[in-house]
Amino acid sequence: SQQGEEDPQALSIQEGENATMNCSYKTSINNLQWYRQNSGRGLVHLILIRSNEREKHSGRLRVTLDTSKKSSSLLITASRAADTASYFCATDDQGNTPLVFGKGTRLSVIA
Amino acid sequence: NAGVTQTPKFQVLKTGQSMTLQCAQDMNHNSMYWYRQDPGMGLRLIYYSASEGTTDKGEVPNGYNVSRLNKREFSLRLESAAPSQTSVYFCASSTDRVRVGTGELFFGEGSRLTVL
Repeated sequence: SQQGEEDPQALSIQEGENATMNCSYKTSINNLQWYRQNSGRGLVHLILIRSNEREKHSGRLRVTLDTSKKSSSLLITASRAADTASYFCATDDQGNTPLVFGKGTRLSVIA
Repeated sequence: NAGVTQTPKFQVLKTGQSMTLQCAQDMNHNSMYWYRQDPGMGLRLIYYSASEGTTDKGEVPNGYNVSRLNKREFSLRLESAAPSQTSVYFCASSTDRVRVGTGELFFGEGSRLTVL
């Protein structure tokens, strides 16, 4: 099944730095979503970007989508220790299928 | 609003035992999903229900059954548990409207199952 693939698998940065995570996928999509998961908790939706959008912002989050390269990036600016979590991208198929998740990027923000 | 509620949070089973994971949502969502999460594997879809009265298989349905009891509740049953089913199970509901996969997912806190 189609699956987004995040890169890098793990990322460690200092508080205040920016964190960039990438997601690549295989087939055409209607939308791509990013989720965060704190250790031992459920996933929380961060942002949804549609296939006709190129960039979207939400607070300190910036998501870009390049459908020609089948890739997306999530940028977290001015990171905080509380941003420490795993981040997942999820994609649909254009043919009415549920979201499929990648394996995630583990972000550690060191105070 | 409670959102998505899963029970139990933890369960230990012996091989061959059966159990049902319960999930309820209070957001009036049409779509509901069961995923399992294993280390290094991300989330994999087990079953989903696009609307009350319908269920469909996901990527890894073998060994599981589901029931969409009503619009609020979607249960997952393991008829004869196996060690390979040791995992964290997540229920989710979605703001999907016309098609599945188009809406935002709301997740429960997970049910941690160990099969010995």
